[in-house]
Amino acid sequence: KQEVTQIPAALSVPEGENLVLNCSFTDSAIYNLQWFRQDPGKGLTSLLLIQSSQREQTSGRLNASLDKSSGRSTLYIAASQPGDSATYLCAVLTSGTYKYIFGTGTRLKVLA
Amino acid sequence: DVKVTQSSRYLVKRTGEKVFLECVQDMDHENMFWYRQDPGLGLRLIYFSYDVKMKEKGDIPEGYSVSREKKERFSLILESASTNQTSMYLCASSTGGRFASRLENTEAFFGQGTRLTVV
Repeated sequence: KQEVTQIPAALSVPEGENLVLNCSFTDSAIYNLQWFRQDPGKGLTSLLLIQSSQREQTSGRLNASLDKSSGRSTLYIAASQPGDSATYLCAVLTSGTYKYIFGTGTRLKVLA
Repeated sequence: DVKVTQSSRYLVKRTGEKVFLECVQDMDHENMFWYRQDPGLGLRLIYFSYDVKMKEKGDIPEGYSVSREKKERFSLILESASTNQTSMYLCASSTGGRFASRLENTEAFFGQGTRLTVV
């Protein structure tokens, strides 16, 4: 059964720092991995999708990498800003299923 | 832009009521999902549907049912609401359908969430 873990559960950094959020999964047979952002009381906003055949994806200050064989993905945020404060979730789509399995998220606070 | 719209942001219902949560997507996606999100438990899948009138149970289907009569609309039904169903409910849609060759690039899109309180 696929399990997804995100470490750390919470992170507080000063503005301007580069930071890395981690996501690990137990079953490497995946179609893709997706990173989301969730603001308090809101839905999920898709940030990046990495297909299983890809190693990384970039969007603006965000870069996500995927090492499928080791069951790991990282989300790199460059030059963090207070507006980046949110919970970040990763989700994997396991091969042979339609279901996304989510991690419990990393709650990020960027201090001005 | 893909849009997934949930009918209500906030709902307050009484124990025992039948509750309908509606979700509509405008991108002709085959797959639709209902999740609930609770502190410390993350997102848990209640039901999903990969086609009109097709549904499959997720991890926590007890106390819920769903309906998908049209491709764009997926409804979650609480047959008799209970206080332990107080939660944030999130609807999602994605492409992909049943063909594995299309699933690698399928991306999930979520609605804004419905905060349901059962009193």
